[in-house]
Amino acid sequence: AQSVTQLGSHVSVSEGALVLLRCNYSSSVPPYLFWYVQYPNQGLQLLLKYTSAATLVKGINGFEAEFKKSETSFHLTKPSAHMSDAAEYFCAVSGLTGGGNKLTFGTGTQLKVEL
Amino acid sequence: ETGVTQTPRHLVMGMTNKKSLKCEQHLGHNAMYWYKQSAKKPLELMFVYNFKEQTENNSVPSRFSPECPNSSHLFLHLHTLQPEDSALYLCASSQVSGRSHEQYFGPGTRLTVT
Repeated sequence: AQSVTQLGSHVSVSEGALVLLRCNYSSSVPPYLFWYVQYPNQGLQLLLKYTSAATLVKGINGFEAEFKKSETSFHLTKPSAHMSDAAEYFCAVSGLTGGGNKLTFGTGTQLKVEL
Repeated sequence: ETGVTQTPRHLVMGMTNKKSLKCEQHLGHNAMYWYKQSAKKPLELMFVYNFKEQTENNSVPSRFSPECPNSSHLFLHLHTLQPEDSALYLCASSQVSGRSHEQYFGPGTRLTVT
């Protein structure tokens, strides 16, 4: 079984500041991990994914995440926040089931970017 | 059309109506999913279809009836819904093979039950 915990349902940063969104996972098998972003009234868009290759994963829009097995973490970072980064972010873990690639999502973190 | 499309984008229906949500994927994937996203709740997986066969039904009430006529199309038939069914309904698709575990989502249908 897999699970994901996102610490902080709301995060607020100033424009230009570091963005850090936290995700911890639990998995009985080597995990595949994902970050998705959701803008208002839209679906989820894949930001980046970890599939057991490099532990530091780069994604779109300047985001990256580092897989740390010892800490069971997959935190999302961006060096400098932009107003357009304001959205909800979801961490997800994959466990291959007999019927598809089931994703288990965290509860989401709403990112607010202030001037 | 590219990616995953969903129609309609917005739907208002009464509790006695019957309506259908449509999803189409243009990615050549072989698995499709329905999710329900309610305010302040985690994303809920409703149904999974793999090669047109339903492989998962997460205790969804029978007033929601999925249909997958082929690998590119997925429907969600709705009847006698309740106000608590108001939510954003998301469709997704993925390729069940190799190392591709990611799912691609449509824009969703915002459903309001009155």
